[in-house]
Amino acid sequence: QQQVKQSPQSLIVQKGGIPIINCAYENTAFDYFPWYQQFPGKGPALLIAIRPDVSEKKEGRFTISFNKSAKQFSLHIMDSQPGDSATYFCAANSGAGSYQLTFGKGTKLSVIP
Amino acid sequence: DSGVTQTPKHLITATGQRVTLRCSPRSGDLSVYWYQQSLDQGLQFLIQYYNGEERAKGNILERFSAQQFPDLHSELNLSSLELGDSALYFCASSIGLRTGDNYGYTFGSGTRLTVV
Repeated sequence: QQQVKQSPQSLIVQKGGIPIINCAYENTAFDYFPWYQQFPGKGPALLIAIRPDVSEKKEGRFTISFNKSAKQFSLHIMDSQPGDSATYFCAANSGAGSYQLTFGKGTKLSVIP
Repeated sequence: DSGVTQTPKHLITATGQRVTLRCSPRSGDLSVYWYQQSLDQGLQFLIQYYNGEERAKGNILERFSAQQFPDLHSELNLSSLELGDSALYFCASSIGLRTGDNYGYTFGSGTRLTVV
């Protein structure tokens, strides 16, 4: 199956908090898992990505945790700021003859000052 | 500016009509992808072209078609439009055939299509 399930649908945190967004997949052929950030009126922008041979990847305040056996991955945003308020999408790609990304439904994050 | 240019930004048209959405990829990118974003379905992959050839097809309706021209720009044609086709249509581009660890796709700002 090609589905990627993302939760929660929306999230409100205080400035400095650590929002966590979770995604789960079923297709074991997926081998590339990016996260995208989308601001209103803009296209999604690549934030960070991971492959299943590592369990964690950090880039600045953004961290992906990956659990291959559970087929789950999550995005953590450290020291969240009001400027992080956006919609976040997880995605997955299998590569083998399939060049499209399968996206989760998105999480709308609001960081309150 | 992501470097991916989509025109027009907004389009309002009537049911039954045909429209063409245009995308210019980032300089040097050979792959172009089209996605549809709606509130209930999220981001759905439609089709991918690489250097002028169709390479992957997703949930694209038969009423929709696309092509990539020798100068690498792409057009998405939507015909016999229905109210349910109202959505944001995004184009994305990448250098190669598939995503890379730190590169991925670069999306344009989208075309908002409203069918009335």
